[in-house]
Amino acid sequence: DAEITQSPRHKITETGRQVTLACHQTWNHNNMFWYRQDLGHGLRLIHYSYGVHDTNKGEVSDGYSVSRSNTEDLPLTLESAASSQTSVYFCASSEGSGTVYEQYFGPGTRLTVT
Amino acid sequence: GQSLEQPSEVTAVEGAIVQINCTYQTSGFYGLSWYQQHDGGAPTFLSYNALDGLEETGRFSSFLSRSDSYGYLLLQELQMKDSASYFCALSNTGKLIFGQGTTLQVKP
Repeated sequence: DAEITQSPRHKITETGRQVTLACHQTWNHNNMFWYRQDLGHGLRLIHYSYGVHDTNKGEVSDGYSVSRSNTEDLPLTLESAASSQTSVYFCASSEGSGTVYEQYFGPGTRLTVT
Repeated sequence: GQSLEQPSEVTAVEGAIVQINCTYQTSGFYGLSWYQQHDGGAPTFLSYNALDGLEETGRFSSFLSRSDSYGYLLLQELQMKDSASYFCALSNTGKLIFGQGTTLQVKP
């Protein structure tokens, strides 16, 4: 069965370190998204991609970067981790272009920055 | 910009019907989606309204009124397993904008 996976599931890191969160999907979806979820803020879009070599900034992109070298993977990098980036991170994918209404989410990565 | 507003919490009794409202502000959108998220889990897609009116999917129904900038999710025959957070989301060009979510607590 097709799926979307994230690794690691839990990560503790120190302020200032570079951290990369992995996202891998086997749906063969062109669209991939990264969100962060904090209490009281719902899901906020960090970065997204509509295909290989395409990346776009979301509403909370400062301090994060992504790259898309193939269809299956969209790793999220925190260049210099800050305590404000402690959060739960979800990756998602969807098919098609234009109207996007159904996204498939990974299980999430809980990141703690100390 | 775009924004959505939902009640933060709703409580209902097992077997009852509950409605979770969502009001929004946007200059344009394709439709309104609803997602369910159990504590600590991944959000999962429930329903989508591209047009005004009611969409029914089993015990869940979703409604959209573009003229009122308003939608709701209706859950019937509530079960304990329906205790979760529910998010409305605007479908815009190529992406979703999520509300802050409503936590539904179902009591026996």
